[in-house]
Amino acid sequence: GAVVSQHPSRVICKSGTSVKIECRSLDFQATTMFWYRQFPKQSLMLMATSNEGSKATYEQGVEKDKFLINHASLTLSTLTVTSAHPEDSSFYICSASSGQGYQETQYFGPGTRLLVL
Amino acid sequence: EDKVVQSPLSLVVHEGDTVTLNCSYEVTNFRSLLWYKQEKKAPTFLFMLTSSGIEKKSGRLSSILDKKELFSILNITATQTGDSAIYLCAVHHGNNNDMRFGAGTRLTVKP
Repeated sequence: GAVVSQHPSRVICKSGTSVKIECRSLDFQATTMFWYRQFPKQSLMLMATSNEGSKATYEQGVEKDKFLINHASLTLSTLTVTSAHPEDSSFYICSASSGQGYQETQYFGPGTRLLVL
Repeated sequence: EDKVVQSPLSLVVHEGDTVTLNCSYEVTNFRSLLWYKQEKKAPTFLFMLTSSGIEKKSGRLSSILDKKELFSILNITATQTGDSAIYLCAVHHGNNNDMRFGAGTRLTVKP
C-alpha cells in the first residue's frame, strides 16, 4: 500500500527557534498533501491543504506566516514552524492523496511530535 | 514492520443495515487504538481503545478491542445516509508514541 513518511519523528527545540517537518510520499505521487495537528482528547485539526506547485490553503485561525508550508514536488511537502513557542508543542501529522478532494483516499504519515521548551 | 490494516476498503449498504468494520494491527509496544470518521476536512474522533474486551458505545456506534488477536471492530447499527464517510483506524505505539493509520474503509449508505 501507499506509504507516507515524516521526518523527524520527534523534535525538541528551544522557544524562538524554527523547526522544519518533512512529509514524503514514498511510492506514489501526492497531488495533495494535508497537514493536521492533534490536540488533547485525540481530535485532529486540519491546518492546511497543499497542492504541488501552488500556495497552500490554510484553515481559518491558522497563521500562514507562522506555519510555512511548501509543496515543492509531488513527493515532498514541508511544514516549518517559525519562532516556535511552548503552545506550539503538539503532534503534527501529514497525509497525502493522489486526488484533489477530501473524499479521495488519504494516506497518513506516522506523525511528528514537537516539544518546545 | 509496523502496520495497520483495515477491511473492507469499501462497503456499500442500504439504510437500516448493520455494518462491521475491521482494523487489525501489528506494531511494537501498542498503546492505544483510535477510530475516526472522515467526511469533510479533518477526521472526527470517535473512540479510543486501550483495554481488551471493553466495548465503547456512542449512539449507534460501538467498538471493541482484542489485544490478544490484535484487532478492533467498529459496528454501526441501523445505518443512515449520514453515516457515509471514510472510517479511519489509527494505532499509537512505540516509545515515542508514534501513530500509524490504516488506509480507511469507505462506507456508502444508500437510501
